[in-house]
Amino acid sequence: EPEVTQTPSHQVTQMGQEVILRCVPISNHLYFYWYRQILGQKVEFLVSFYNNEISEKSEIFDDQFSVERPDGSNFTLKIRSTKLEDSAMYFCASSEVASPYEQYFGPGTRLTVT
Amino acid sequence: GQQLNQSPQSMFIQEGEDVSMNCTSSSIFNTWLWYKQDPGEGPVLLIALYKAGELTSNGRLTAQFGITRKDSFLNISASIPSDVGIYFCAGARFHSGAGSYQLTFGKGTKLSVIP
Repeated sequence: EPEVTQTPSHQVTQMGQEVILRCVPISNHLYFYWYRQILGQKVEFLVSFYNNEISEKSEIFDDQFSVERPDGSNFTLKIRSTKLEDSAMYFCASSEVASPYEQYFGPGTRLTVT
Repeated sequence: GQQLNQSPQSMFIQEGEDVSMNCTSSSIFNTWLWYKQDPGEGPVLLIALYKAGELTSNGRLTAQFGITRKDSFLNISASIPSDVGIYFCAGARFHSGAGSYQLTFGKGTKLSVIP
C-alpha cells in the first residue's frame, strides 16, 4: 500500500541553524501539507501546497519557514534560524484530487532544537 | 482560530467494552475525519464523513457527522488491546479559491485498554 515517507526520522540541531525536512508524498497525490505537533499537544496546520505554490498557510508559518517541491517526488520544509520553540514532530501529508479531504500522514520527523 | 473540543481527554476501559468519544465545534465543517495515532508515529486515517447525519462504519468503528455539522462522534465496539492510542477528530473546510483543505484537529482522546 502506498504511503508517505519522511526523512530524517529525528533531527537534532542547534538554535540558529537551518534544517530541511524531506517528504515523499504518495505518488498520485497532488495536494501536500505540513503539520506540526508539539509534544503532548494537538496536530497544527502549517501550510498547504498545490500546483507548485502555497495555497494556504497558518500564522505559525512565518518568514522563517519555506516549502519547495524541487522535483516530481520530493516535498521539503525548510526552517531557517531555528528556535527552541520549533522543537516538535513535523508531519507531511498528502491527498488526491478525488478525495482531497482524506489526508494521509507520514511517520513524522522529530526536530529537537538545542 | 477554530477550536475543536474533544472529550473525554482520556479513558481507561476493559477489553471487550464499547467506547464512545465525541468532538464539538462552534463552527460548521464540510467534512469530519477521525484519526488514530500510536506513540511516535503519524496519524492514521480511520473514517471520513461528508454529509450531515451520515453514519459510517469501518470494522468495529462507527462514526457520525452531526446534523448541525458542528459535531461528530466515534464509537469503538468490543475493544481490543491494539485499540490503545490517541484518537483525534479533525474538521475540514474547503477554502474557496485557495485550493486548500486544511484540517483543524481536536486535542485527542487517549484510550487505554485493560486486558
